[in-house]
Parts: sequence; structure tokens; C-alpha cells
Amino acid sequence: QKEVEQNSGPLSVPEGAIASLNCTYSDRVSQSFFWYRQYSGKSPELIMSIYSNGDKEDGRFTAQLNKASQYVSLLIRDSQPSDSATYLCAVRDHNFNKFYFGSGTKLNVKP
Amino acid sequence: DVKVTQSSRYLVKRTGEKVFLECVQDMDHENMFWYRQDPGLGLRLIYFSYDVKMKEKGDIPEGYSVSREKKERFSLILESASTNQTSMYLCASTSDRGISYEQYFGPGTRLTVT
Repeated sequence: QKEVEQNSGPLSVPEGAIASLNCTYSDRVSQSFFWYRQYSGKSPELIMSIYSNGDKEDGRFTAQLNKASQYVSLLIRDSQPSDSATYLCAVRDHNFNKFYFGSGTKLNVKP
Repeated sequence: DVKVTQSSRYLVKRTGEKVFLECVQDMDHENMFWYRQDPGLGLRLIYFSYDVKMKEKGDIPEGYSVSREKKERFSLILESASTNQTSMYLCASTSDRGISYEQYFGPGTRLTVT
């Protein structure tokens, strides 16, 4: 069973700070990695995808991938109360068209 | 913009009823998925389909079946609803083309079985 591990949190950060969310995965040959944001009672919303080692930036969000360490992270700069949500890490299976999800990290951004 | 729609946001059914959940995507995606999401258990894959009339069991297919007669539509069927199938059901789709395999979710159907 391929695993995706996240700290469940909650992670609390003050407004304006950097929130750092982490994810590790067990399948060494995985190629595609995704971060989703999920507000309570809503469906997951894709916010970032990353396929190559290094950093990928999109606005206030930066995804970081280290395949050697089997580690992917999401940084949220200038955190806002509206960023308060659960963040899901997902990994696409290399051989089958399936996606494995972590259990999510709950982020609280305090005004 | 990718759009995935689901037939109902909220649904209440009685034990033993046959339940149909419909999902439609408008981006010509080859692959479609049904998940359920429960507190503490995360997202669990029920079934997925990589082509019309093709289906694969996910991690928890028991008590469910699926149908994909057209590329854009993927239906989840609860043959005889039970209270332990009360959950949030999420449909998703993704493409096989290019290098992007981003998976997009519908708004979800919150099903209550009484």
C-alpha cells in the first residue's frame, strides 16, 4: 500500500506569517505531486502541482519537491485568515492512474 | 476551466433504497473517479474508470457499482443503501494527455442514509 503522510495539525500561524506544510510519500518512483485546499464541508480545490525537483511558485504559494528524500512541501507566504483550511497532499501512482492522498493538515491562521 | 458537476449537493435516502449519484465533466477527460470522504479516514477510492465502459475497483468497492456509458459521465450506484454509506461522495476527473495529470473534483454529494 503506497502511503502519503502528513501531520494532521492543527498548525496555527499568525496572520502575515509563513505557513509550512509537509508531506512524505513511500513510492520512490512517483512523478506527480499535488496540493489541494479543502474548506470545511467543501470539496478539495487544486492549488499547486509539481513534477520536478526544486521549487515552484504561484503567487503566495510555493511548492517544494525533493524526490531523493521523498518529500514535498507547501509554503504559504503572508498567510491570511482565509487560508484557514485543511491542506491535502496527493501523489499520482507511477504505473496506474490512481492518486494517493494524505489525511490532510489543518491550518489555522489567526488574525 | 475544468468543470466537474455532481447531480446533488445533499441527498437523504432510506435504508435499502437504490441510489444513483451522477457526475459529469466538460473537459473531455479520459479518467474519472469516485471517492468517499469520512472524518478521520480521509479520501478513499471506490471505483475509477479510464475509458468508456471500463472500470476498475478502488480500495472500497463493496456495496457500490459504477457505470460509464459516455465519456463525460460517470455514475455511482448504491445497490441497497445502508447507514454505513452515509458520507460525502466526491467525483473527480483527470486527463491522460500531455504532462499534466491534475485531478479536479466536483462539489461533492453529502448522502445521508436513514
